[in-house]
Amino acid sequence: AQSVSQHNHHVILSEAASLELGCNYSYGGTVNLFWYVQYPGQHLQLLLKYFSGDPLVKGIKGFEAEFIKSKFSFNLRKPSVQWSDTAEYFCAVNAENNDMRFGAGTRLTVKP
Amino acid sequence: EPEVTQTPSHQVTQMGQEVILRCVPISNHLYFYWYRQILGQKVEFLVSFYNNEISEKSEIFDDQFSVERPDGSNFTLKIRSTKLEDSAMYFCASSWGQGARQPQHFGDGTRLSIL
Repeated sequence: AQSVSQHNHHVILSEAASLELGCNYSYGGTVNLFWYVQYPGQHLQLLLKYFSGDPLVKGIKGFEAEFIKSKFSFNLRKPSVQWSDTAEYFCAVNAENNDMRFGAGTRLTVKP
Repeated sequence: EPEVTQTPSHQVTQMGQEVILRCVPISNHLYFYWYRQILGQKVEFLVSFYNNEISEKSEIFDDQFSVERPDGSNFTLKIRSTKLEDSAMYFCASSWGQGARQPQHFGDGTRLSIL
């Protein structure tokens, strides 16, 4: 079964700083990759997804992620964070078995 | 944009009692899921449901759990005799197609507190 690792438990940045959140997965077959965001008190929302094609995926709110197959990674990036980006970010992997596995999440705190 | 809705937002129940968590998936979606998130831990898959039957379940989803689609709109999770360790956020999700190609849309979650 696939597993997902998010290396950073809590990241604290100042506004306008650049963001990169790591995500690695373990699964040898074809995977589909997702990043979800959970703002305080709100539901999980899909930020972006990768199924196939261009490994650099652009999502909502200026986020992007790059799928590097050789590294089994799908890191989330944003060039300049805002205070409103404060949230919990979850990487998720969906393999052919239809099972969806989530990482432990990374809490992002952006200081104004 | 259509959303998955869950009720109640917070449920407090005595240990040993039965609890039913309710979800209204997006109307044209065909696949339904329950996940839980114990405080400070990752989101864990519980069960998926399609065509009025369970299509997949995790080891967490034991005999204490059951799911049902009692009518055309609701999707419920029942915990028969709650335990302290059932305290968690429970998320419902739905998708139009089978998971690999269709992202799952999540509800706000129900916080279940077992006393």
